[in-house]
Amino acid sequence: QQQVKQSPQSLIVQKGGISIINCAYENTAFDYFPWYQQFPGKGPALLIAIRPDVSEKKEGRFTISFNKSAKQFSLHIMDSQPGDSATYFCAVFLSPYGGATNKLIFGTGTLLAVQP
Amino acid sequence: EAQVTQNPRYLITVTGKKLTVTCSQNMNHEYMSWYRQDPGLGLRQIYYSMNVEVTDKGDVPEGYKVSRKEKRNFPLILESPSPNQTSLYFCASSLSPRVEQYFGPGTRLTVT
Repeated sequence: QQQVKQSPQSLIVQKGGISIINCAYENTAFDYFPWYQQFPGKGPALLIAIRPDVSEKKEGRFTISFNKSAKQFSLHIMDSQPGDSATYFCAVFLSPYGGATNKLIFGTGTLLAVQP
Repeated sequence: EAQVTQNPRYLITVTGKKLTVTCSQNMNHEYMSWYRQDPGLGLRQIYYSMNVEVTDKGDVPEGYKVSRKEKRNFPLILESPSPNQTSLYFCASSLSPRVEQYFGPGTRLTVT
């Protein structure tokens, strides 16, 4: 069963525009929500992460918005640049208190293309 | 340089021929894990290890084995590879599962 649903599968944005990627989860025991960025031919790399005690975290042009009641979190890329073109993965961490142990579960990924 | 290394980077093999993909990290990380990446399915965790001699199944462990005899190494073993194990494999390490995972460069495996 898919514990985290990511959308859209692909996204095309014009340079300077806002890119928005969404993730929804079901298990309220998740307590760590990172986003990873992957360029072609490379391994994923941590972009930004949030914990459920805050509703928003911003790092430069990248912002995570977290809605605990709706069990959703999203990545916003402001002023999108061609260099942001990559695959983005959300992930959730299931704490040991949630019935499972130390598992990091990834979404299916979003391929972002920023057109110049 | 802090890094996670994987070998080989590319491998083509035949069904049933045992193989091992090595993973090594030089950051003294306790948590290590293996993922496979398939189109449309994202990254799926195969196995993870909290520390030496402590390993546990991820979401797709069938057909794979791991061992953690040393802190820095976490090899992935396919005893009898099958075509459905054709995939891109990543090893990752971190101080704990709730912090940044450092990924290796990936191993592209093709089983014919």
